[in-house]
Amino acid sequence: EAQVTQNPRYLITVTGKKLTVTCSQNMNHEYMSWYRQDPGLGLRQIYYSMNVEVTDKGDVPEGYKVSRKEKRNFPLILESPSPNQTSLYFCASSSYNEKLFFGSGTQLSVL
Amino acid sequence: QKEVEQNSGPLSVPEGAIASLNCTYSDRVSQSFFWYRQYSGKSPELIMSIYSNGDKEDGRFTAQLNKASQYVSLLIRDSQPSDSATYLCAVMFYSGAGSYQLTFGKGTKLSVIP
Repeated sequence: EAQVTQNPRYLITVTGKKLTVTCSQNMNHEYMSWYRQDPGLGLRQIYYSMNVEVTDKGDVPEGYKVSRKEKRNFPLILESPSPNQTSLYFCASSSYNEKLFFGSGTQLSVL
Repeated sequence: QKEVEQNSGPLSVPEGAIASLNCTYSDRVSQSFFWYRQYSGKSPELIMSIYSNGDKEDGRFTAQLNKASQYVSLLIRDSQPSDSATYLCAVMFYSGAGSYQLTFGKGTKLSVIP
């Protein structure tokens, strides 16, 4: 089954404790992206990647890191999480100019 | 910065009526436009994609694109309570050197009243 797998689904952590949210797709898509969704602010792009070893900042990259060492994986890293990074996060992938496939989301709470 | 604007709503329509959702965008060279539906707590799912001026119909849904006015809309005919959701407009902006970025509007919340 074609899918984007995100883990974990829920995560509660404390300020400053490094964490990684994993994202994997099985559709051989070139394009992968991370979004955060906050009430009233919609989906905002954090980082995106056009292909392996190619990543670009989106609209809200501060406080986040990504890597694209393999085509299928695109992890999101928070080196020192802060409470303002409490949000619902979505990973997504697509082929060029085609629809985005979304993961199930990760609800992150930073205390 | 590339921008996509939508009315946040909520938009309320009676069951069986036509719901009209609108979106404007800031970049004249954008070529690809998408409408996604998102139920509360769920991932967005694609409703329609449109790439050229005019109308595109798929069942009860019609997407309309006017690139000169930088405007894209979604019409939902015979609205059903199950259509109650947030509708997200997304525009693909080209960043140069073969790179592109998909930017979403904040979404319009639609409520269909039985």
